[in-house]
Amino acid sequence: NAGVTQTPKFRVLKTGQSMTLLCAQDMNHEYMYWYRQDPGMGLRLIHYSVGEGTTAKGEVPDGYNVSRLKKQNFLLGLESAAPSQTSVYFCASTHRDDTGELFFGEGSRLTVL
Amino acid sequence: GQNIDQPTEMTATEGAIVQINCTYQTSGFNGLFWYQQHAGEAPTFLSYNVLDGLEEKGRFSSFLSRSKGYSYLLLKELQMKDSASYLCAVRDSNYQLIWGAGTKLIIKP
Repeated sequence: NAGVTQTPKFRVLKTGQSMTLLCAQDMNHEYMYWYRQDPGMGLRLIHYSVGEGTTAKGEVPDGYNVSRLKKQNFLLGLESAAPSQTSVYFCASTHRDDTGELFFGEGSRLTVL
Repeated sequence: GQNIDQPTEMTATEGAIVQINCTYQTSGFNGLFWYQQHAGEAPTFLSYNVLDGLEEKGRFSSFLSRSKGYSYLLLKELQMKDSASYLCAVRDSNYQLIWGAGTKLIIKP
């Protein structure tokens, strides 16, 4: 049981380049989330999805886009990367009817030069 | 605004007990979570409190007082592997999680 899998684990981009982070979960969870984690700050929600075909903005959505075409996958896109987007990105998922315990992926470390 | 406060760093001795505090001010309350995060790894779920009182799970316990906007995580019989960051998070009235910055716990032999 793989749980939540993120790819890639590491990436270095130049300012203005684009990329997509992929999150896949095999637990049949309805809810999926993308967070970023920066030193000295709590996890900040970028975008989230409550089901296939639906997405919503979180606390810090600017500069990011997402898609949830399949229930098990949640993609995070950066159209034109900026140094301020240097961060560790975590995907998480949970089942709608549970307490809300989040299951996290291993994280994707992104550096924008 | 919404705010979660917890100490930035704490140090404790192997075998001892440590209490990590968390205070919160949020728009509504629908539960409080504690997560453990080892350096370079993903957060993992430790505990969930929605009613006042103490929840015990092995060496770890979590306490909640909703009237005081306060929680603590109690770790007993500390082991070196408990060296990690401990994240407090509160679910608000919109069922969104508000996260604290985390408490880095250093365990010394």
